[in-house]
Amino acid sequence: GENVEQHPSTLSVQEGDSAVIKCTYSDSASNYFPWYKQELGKRPQLIIDIRSNVGEKKDQRIAVTLNKTAKHFSLHITETQPEDSAVYFCAASPTGNQFYFGTGTSLTVIP
Amino acid sequence: DAGITQSPRHKVTETGTPVTLRCHQTENHRYMYWYRQDPGHGLRLIHYSYGVKDTDKGEVSDGYSVSRSKTEDFLLTLESATSSQTSVYFCAILEVNRDSGYTFGSGTRLTVV
Repeated sequence: GENVEQHPSTLSVQEGDSAVIKCTYSDSASNYFPWYKQELGKRPQLIIDIRSNVGEKKDQRIAVTLNKTAKHFSLHITETQPEDSAVYFCAASPTGNQFYFGTGTSLTVIP
Repeated sequence: DAGITQSPRHKVTETGTPVTLRCHQTENHRYMYWYRQDPGHGLRLIHYSYGVKDTDKGEVSDGYSVSRSKTEDFLLTLESATSSQTSVYFCAILEVNRDSGYTFGSGTRLTVV
């Protein structure tokens, strides 16, 4: 099955700086890449996603980029705020109905 | 959130006892999933269902069974709980009509002592 690797596992940034989380995947058939944010004690929630026919997608302060050739995709958060502190998960889907998750990145934004 | 609820929210059980977790949805979604979340491992798929009585194994299915006798309920059973099954369990549904990712339930924190 698909194998998704995510780095770094922990990330600390100063408020206002940018944060970048990177994921790689193994199955070239994967065509859907969602990102989830999980606050402490809460459920993971979808924050942004990208499909393989698009190279970049933005939603306010967050953006995701995809390089199909290299099989990697990244989450970019600009102008970070304390409320961005959470665990972020990437995922990849080769079938559209089953997702494979990375191991998560714990982001801390220092005020 | 797509009318998905999990029960119980917390449970403590003894080693060797059977445990059943329930996931209930109100919007007739076809696909339902059970994941476990452990530090350092992220979210790992236990079992999933693509319709009533149609289920399949995920990557960490040993020691777990599932049943889906009606569209709205997806049950996860730990046949004989072990300490290694102490975890947070999330149910998820796939909203195919929204062409988007999963929507997760609130989770069940299970402790096996």
